[in-house]
Order: sequence, then structure tokens, then C-alpha cells
Amino acid sequence: DADVTQTPRNRITKTGKRIMLECSQTKGHDRMYWYRQDPGLGLQLIYYSFDVKDINKGEISDGYSVSRQAQAKFSLSLESAIPNQTALYFCATSDYRANQPQHFGDGTRLSIL
Amino acid sequence: EDQVTQSPEALRLQEGESSSLNCSYTVSGLRGLFWYRQDPGKGPEFLFTLYSAGEEKEKERLKATLTKKESFLHITAPKPEDSATYLCAVQAFKYNQGGKLIFGQGTELSVKP
Repeated sequence: DADVTQTPRNRITKTGKRIMLECSQTKGHDRMYWYRQDPGLGLQLIYYSFDVKDINKGEISDGYSVSRQAQAKFSLSLESAIPNQTALYFCATSDYRANQPQHFGDGTRLSIL
Repeated sequence: EDQVTQSPEALRLQEGESSSLNCSYTVSGLRGLFWYRQDPGKGPEFLFTLYSAGEEKEKERLKATLTKKESFLHITAPKPEDSATYLCAVQAFKYNQGGKLIFGQGTELSVKP
């Protein structure tokens, strides 16, 4: 089984809909992250969380919100989806030590019509 | 402004033809530089972390090196299974307890038999 699991893997929805992407991990890591990936651009950080009570905005948090339900679960919500939020979304986790690598799930491909 | 630039954007090699991928970075106070491999439909897979200039890491046909301004990923005698997009990311001391990665846009490597 994958260490970092994202659901759903694919989603097509309409403008204005509320969408939740979910991430769960079995690595026992404290830190979790949400990124989006667009063609020709690097991965961009949306939100990150160092523990259940610690949530931080990344570079592109506008239009998104997150919830850290437990150490192992971190969800990303689009309250009112718009077409330019069409992208690949990745969840990642890392150890509590600052310089450790991040480990990624296989992503959610989100299309907003 | 912190920035990571990868070159070339795409690289086509024949099997056995060695080459190098470049990652140039501008960031004050480098905490670490990370190399990832990403296959289509998958999340980035961690390859290496480099922490200081002069450091080198090797794994099979891959060797990563680091200077104060750039990192190289050398691929020796590549095989078709090395075909993937290779991502470089940096982490700086100045960001809140580490964690934040700045990604380059990636180099798409294709190795033909």
C-alpha cells in the first residue's frame, strides 16, 4: 500500500462547486503539505502543516482552505471552484526535522469546467 | 527573489549516451537541495539531498553534485527506464522552520533504445 494516499485520483466538476481533496499517510510524519502542479511550472506550495494545531499559508493559498483532522490526515478544499484551479494536486509529508525530504502521493487530477 | 531554474527543459538521449542536467539556484542560506524523479501519472519520487558545496551523492546510474550556485545530475550510460521528468528543489534557512521547497520547472528526459 502507498505511504501517502490521495483521493480521488481524478475529478471533473463545474465552476462554483465545493470540492474536497483528501490525503492520508502511514509514514508517521508530523509535517504535511499541499502543492499544485501546472504544465511548464514548478510545483507551488498551497498550504502546509507542521502538526495538528499548526497550519500555514504557502505561496498560492487564495481560493483554498485546509483542515488537519489528525496527524495522518490533511484535506484541501476549494470553496467555490473556478476554471483556473484546474491542475494536478499533490500531497506530501516529511519528518519533523527541517531538512528532511518530502514524500509525495500520486496526485489528484482536477478539472473544473 | 528565491529562484530555481532547470536546463534543458527537455533532453533526448540514445541508450548509453551519458549527459548532465543542470539546476541553477538563487537563494540566501541554502538548507538543502533535493532531486526528485517524476513519472507520468505519479508523484515526485525522492532521489537525493545535498547540503553543502562539494557534496556528491550516487545511486545506480545517477550522480548529483552541488556548488554554491548550481547542482548537476549526471546520468551515466542511461537506459530507457531512466526516462522521466527530473525535478530540483531548494530549501532555505530563512523560511519558517524549514519545510518550504522552491521547485524548478523540471527537465523531461527521454532515453531511446
